[in-house]
Amino acid sequence: AQKITQTQPGMFVQEKEAVTLDCTYDTSDPSYGLFWYKQPSSGEMIFLIYQGSYDQQNATEGRYSLNFQKARKSANLVISASQLGDSAMYFCAMREYGNKLVFGAGTILRVKS
Amino acid sequence: EADIYQTPRYLVIGTGKKITLECSQTMGHDKMYWYQQDPGMELHLIHYSYGVNSTEKGDLSSESTVSRIRTEHFPLTLESARPSHTSQYLCASGGIEGAWLSNEKLFFGSGTQLSVL
Repeated sequence: AQKITQTQPGMFVQEKEAVTLDCTYDTSDPSYGLFWYKQPSSGEMIFLIYQGSYDQQNATEGRYSLNFQKARKSANLVISASQLGDSAMYFCAMREYGNKLVFGAGTILRVKS
Repeated sequence: EADIYQTPRYLVIGTGKKITLECSQTMGHDKMYWYQQDPGMELHLIHYSYGVNSTEKGDLSSESTVSRIRTEHFPLTLESARPSHTSQYLCASGGIEGAWLSNEKLFFGSGTQLSVL
């Protein structure tokens, strides 16, 4: 069964606008962590943001915020004030307690000037 | 800034050659991972290690092997490369953020793009 689902293969956003990248997950474990990584065309993976299943508030890191809806099992990434340098592949990932990190298929984001 | 290094960055070799992809980290992390990624696709875990002399196969079957003789070093070896091994190989190491094991943050190297002709 698919643990992480990213339904948007590709997204376009106008520079300076906000964009939401969708991520839903599947787990029966009460303790888990959700991650977002950015992969530019150069290939490296860059950690963006983390949300723990017990965290009461949505995580934020600068222009990145995670819209965590536990009951719906969704962990969407919101990027505010998009910049050209945000163009990249974005991966949602989940770790269940004591387990390995599992990645989604990714969403390609293109920021238009 | 992550201190995890992969060499070479790019490698083009012929079929049948033995190759070793290097990965080193200076963060003292016990956990290290190898992921395989085809262009524009998701990452698949092929090997991982939870410490020295500990190695396990990942979710995706791979003909490669790994070793973990030192904490900082986690090389991946292909005894006889084939065109089907052409892919990007990403190495990562894990550090714990806080008390929960579930929030281990992975630091990735820049990857090795392997092309087997």
